Amino acid sequence: KAGVTQTPRYLIKTRGQQVTLSCSPISGHRSVSWYQQTPGQGLQFLFEYFSETQRNKGNFPGRFSGRQFSNSRSEMNVSTLELGDSALYLCASSLGTDLYYGYTFGSGTRLTVV
Amino acid sequence: LAKTTQPISMDSYEGQEVNITCSHNNIATNDYITWYQQFPSQGPRFIIQGYKTKVTNEVASLFIPADRKSSTLSLPRVSLSDTAVYYCPLSGANNLFFGTGTRLTVIP
Repeated sequence: KAGVTQTPRYLIKTRGQQVTLSCSPISGHRSVSWYQQTPGQGLQFLFEYFSETQRNKGNFPGRFSGRQFSNSRSEMNVSTLELGDSALYLCASSLGTDLYYGYTFGSGTRLTVV
Repeated sequence: LAKTTQPISMDSYEGQEVNITCSHNNIATNDYITWYQQFPSQGPRFIIQGYKTKVTNEVASLFIPADRKSSTLSLPRVSLSDTAVYYCPLSGANNLFFGTGTRLTVIP
């Protein structure tokens, strides 16, 4: 079956711009999580959506937002981009309904802010 | 959110068994212990998961003592392609805390 698909794979934006990243989860998975990975901070949790509702949120400023659609696809948006937002953004999907959540990650979107 | 602690890096020769430990002193009753492998510019890949005692699959074994405050990932006969970063996030809430991971370098 198809894995988690993230688009685009690479993106270059200018400071002050906004960006939208997309994630298509594995068919049947209703939970989508987003992570930011940088060399200095490692993998950090952004937020998680389940059935179109944000269930959990990490410690990121309000410039980072997301949403989930009825087909479980998710988007995350970053407004007023800063140089420090340059990172690999990873999306992970899971069934999200059991005590144990098995996560499948996409290959990520590499965002570079110049 | 329970945090985990791992060694920053490890080196091993090809063909050896590698054991990577993870400390999770504040593990909660509903937390599962999971291990992920990550190659550069790719998302983490699930390796193995367990709750207690020992779990084995086709690529690794996971040893968890009775108090569950630590776990050990065992990779038998590593090859150069096992060079990667290994993480041990706890999975019991709606997100995973990855920590710094352990960078394993396999030497020919």
